[in-house]
Amino acid sequence: AQTVTQSQPEMSVQEAETVTLSCTYDTSENNYYLFWYKQPPSRQMILVIRQEAYKQQNATENRFSVNFQKAAKSFSLKISDSQLGDTAMYFCAFMKPGYGGSQGNLIFGKGTKLSVKP
Amino acid sequence: EAQVTQNPRYLITVTGKKLTVTCSQNMNHEYMSWYRQDPGLGLRQIYYSMNVEVTDKGDVPEGYKVSRKEKRNFPLILESPSPNQTSLYFCASRRYRGLLGEQYFGPGTRLTVT
Repeated sequence: AQTVTQSQPEMSVQEAETVTLSCTYDTSENNYYLFWYKQPPSRQMILVIRQEAYKQQNATENRFSVNFQKAAKSFSLKISDSQLGDTAMYFCAFMKPGYGGSQGNLIFGKGTKLSVKP
Repeated sequence: EAQVTQNPRYLITVTGKKLTVTCSQNMNHEYMSWYRQDPGLGLRQIYYSMNVEVTDKGDVPEGYKVSRKEKRNFPLILESPSPNQTSLYFCASRRYRGLLGEQYFGPGTRLTVT
């Protein structure tokens, strides 16, 4: 079974600085998707960025980028120029693509609470 | 506007009193699922449905029931709620195929069982 581990329960960063959130996962699959979700105090789950395992290029969305190391099964999120609005819980998630059984289900890590300080 | 809606958003109830949390999506998605979120545990899947009349257990199905009679609706039923079901619940949906697997989440339902 797949597992997702976020080893940093809480982190803090100064506004305008850069922070990296860690995520590792365990799987025997070769093809899968990885996601980072943001959950602000409003509790809404917001997709930040996604990565397809067969793509070597790291995904980037504005100030958010990932460092995807497939061999090491590592998927870290880098937030550049941190803003107060980035304060949230961040969840790493794994999904095996497919059309039956547990395929297509998201498996989440336990989350990292990020605080951006002014 | 494409969205997943849940009702109620907040609910306080007593042990043993049956309740239903509704979930509805307007995107014609085949796949829908329910998660619960607890501090320090992340989100864990309760049940999922791949289409009408097709449902299956997730990782933590005990104490819950679901039904999928219409494509847009996927209610979560607690026949006899207990305090350990106090949690934040999310409904989610996605297309069964394609679009990189992106799931759309509802706004969450905060349930307290006393």
